[in-house]
Amino acid sequence: AQTVTQSQPEMSVQEAETVTLSCTYDTSESNYYLFWYKQPPSRQMILVIRQEAYKQQNATENRFSVNFQKAAKSFSLKISDSQLGDTAMYFCAFMKPRGVMYGGSQGNLIFGKGTKLSVKP
Amino acid sequence: GAGVSQSPSNKVTEKGKDVELRCDPISGHTALYWYRQSLGQGLEFLIYFQGNSAPDKSGLPSDRFSAERTGGSVSTLTIQRTQQEDSAVYLCASSPDFGGPGYTFGSGTRLTVV
Repeated sequence: AQTVTQSQPEMSVQEAETVTLSCTYDTSESNYYLFWYKQPPSRQMILVIRQEAYKQQNATENRFSVNFQKAAKSFSLKISDSQLGDTAMYFCAFMKPRGVMYGGSQGNLIFGKGTKLSVKP
Repeated sequence: GAGVSQSPSNKVTEKGKDVELRCDPISGHTALYWYRQSLGQGLEFLIYFQGNSAPDKSGLPSDRFSAERTGGSVSTLTIQRTQQEDSAVYLCASSPDFGGPGYTFGSGTRLTVV
């Protein structure tokens, strides 16, 4: 079974600084996806960034980027120029596609326990 | 709709009562998921619906939990004879089957069993 581990329950960073959130996972699959989701107090899970395992290039979305190390099964999130609105819970998640018999449809997400990030003014 | 809508936003119920939680997915999304977020437990998969296929119920924690999806759109999660350990945030998400992985989540229903 796949597992996702986030070793930092809480982190804080000064506004405009850079912070890196850690995530490791365990799987024997070769084809999968990895995600970072943000959950503000509104409770809605918001997709921050995703990475396909078959892509060697690290995904980036504006101030957010990942360091994907497939062999080490590591998937860290870097937030540059941190803003007060980045304060939230951040969840790392793993997905194995359901496969051809399900039309290649998306699979279940397996989440880590989250990292609470506080951005301080 | 523009997003995934869940109702009610909050629900307080007495132990032993039945509750129904509703999810309206994004129009056209064929896949619908329910997750449970318990304090200290993270998010757990409950059930998955895909079109007219039989749902994947492998995550339902007990036979007190059931869900249905009518007309390939709205879904209702029912918890019978609620227990205090059922207290959690219940999140619904939907996705198109193709076009890139990643779901759109609703804001959840916070269920409190007293």
